[in-house]
Amino acid sequence: DQQVKQNSPSLSVQEGRISILNCDYTNSMFDYFLWYKKYPAEGPTFLISISSIKDKNEDGRFTVFLNKSAKHLSLHIVPSQPGDSAVYFCAASARNQGGKLIFGQGTELSVKP
Amino acid sequence: GAGVSQSPSNKVTEKGKDVELRCDPISGHTALYWYRQSLGQGLEFLIYFQGNSAPDKSGLPSDRFSAERTGGSVSTLTIQRTQQEDSAVYLCASSLEPQENEQFFGPGTRLTVL
Repeated sequence: DQQVKQNSPSLSVQEGRISILNCDYTNSMFDYFLWYKKYPAEGPTFLISISSIKDKNEDGRFTVFLNKSAKHLSLHIVPSQPGDSAVYFCAASARNQGGKLIFGQGTELSVKP
Repeated sequence: GAGVSQSPSNKVTEKGKDVELRCDPISGHTALYWYRQSLGQGLEFLIYFQGNSAPDKSGLPSDRFSAERTGGSVSTLTIQRTQQEDSAVYLCASSLEPQENEQFFGPGTRLTVL
């Protein structure tokens, strides 16, 4: 039972354009959502998050949108840079579950110069 | 640096042997989590600690897996009688408090069971 899904295993974008990474979830108890970025042979690093009481959170080139009715969130990166090339994981947590994160399968982003 | 550290970085073992994986969380972080990432998969939750106790062990795949944490700091994940399907990258993360959603991850231990 995959509670968090990232249906696109990979995405290729031209430098300077927008990258949009998508994530769907099924558990309505999730109240916090996060995006992590992972380079090979390294642990994931936190990128941006959003609480379920909001529908948008922006941090520099990164914006996360949450659509609770559709149980969908997306990460926008604009403008995309070659250094953004990595695997991006969507994760969700529920307040009553001690903070454990449920991760999607990841989307590998490639930003081409 | 003061990040989460894990050892060993790589471990190759034979099927049936026991292995121990170690995690040193960020100093002062009370919550510690273990995840694993199998090839081509997302991160899968295994267990979490609040201090030295483990309120949630629901992700441990079998009774061959166990973990402990001592002194509210270092944690050890033990896999007994390893199987080939245990091959994965085992990741440890810590956070200030369990409800602190931002978790800081270590680099992981790549376990290969031959």
